Amino acid sequence: DSGVTQTPKHLITATGQRVTLRCSPRSGDLSVYWYQQSLDQGLQFLIQYYNGEERAKGNILERFSAQQFPDLHSELNLSSLELGDSALYFCASSAPGQSNTGELFFGEGSRLTVL
Amino acid sequence: GENVEQHPSTLSVQEGDSAVIKCTYSDSASNYFPWYKQELGKRPQLIIDIRSNVGEKKDQRIAVTLNKTAKHFSLHITETQPEDSAVYFCADNSGGSNYKLTFGKGTLLTVNP
Repeated sequence: DSGVTQTPKHLITATGQRVTLRCSPRSGDLSVYWYQQSLDQGLQFLIQYYNGEERAKGNILERFSAQQFPDLHSELNLSSLELGDSALYFCASSAPGQSNTGELFFGEGSRLTVL
Repeated sequence: GENVEQHPSTLSVQEGDSAVIKCTYSDSASNYFPWYKQELGKRPQLIIDIRSNVGEKKDQRIAVTLNKTAKHFSLHITETQPEDSAVYFCADNSGGSNYKLTFGKGTLLTVNP
């Protein structure tokens, strides 16, 4: 168990719909990262938050948005869903400041299926 | 730009043989190169990493080598065992300033008993 919690584990929805994925980082971690894993694209970096603020942005679509709340949990919102958005979405966290060794601690992922 | 290329995409070896997976990166500012292992249906987990101030690092049966001049790094697994079967991802911290990782597309390693 990495200490990173993601909900829901599985989600099935229809095209055009909107979903929210939730992530709680390890206790004490300030950074949260979101990655998308699809069969042919590996792990694609979406976005990083640090202590409530956006730190880095990757290949995140405009239909997707995220935020990190004061209690440090994060939510990834996916809207106007398309079939191609079906993927495993991972959240990860890392230790703050001098404690940061570079290791990302991944949650178990949220598997999204768009029908 | 940020790009990590990983080869091969699949690798099949006999138990006891060695396995080598290679990655190249493009951002000269990258200074941290981890390897993650993802077993089927599981989350990725760090198995070994190397920083740009060293050329090689070993941890029991796994080792990583780094050639900064050529911008490539490799994972070496010796005396492979069936439980080594998994997808392995290399990554770098493109930009070098924080730990946002750019991952390769992964290598599916199968160790045949």
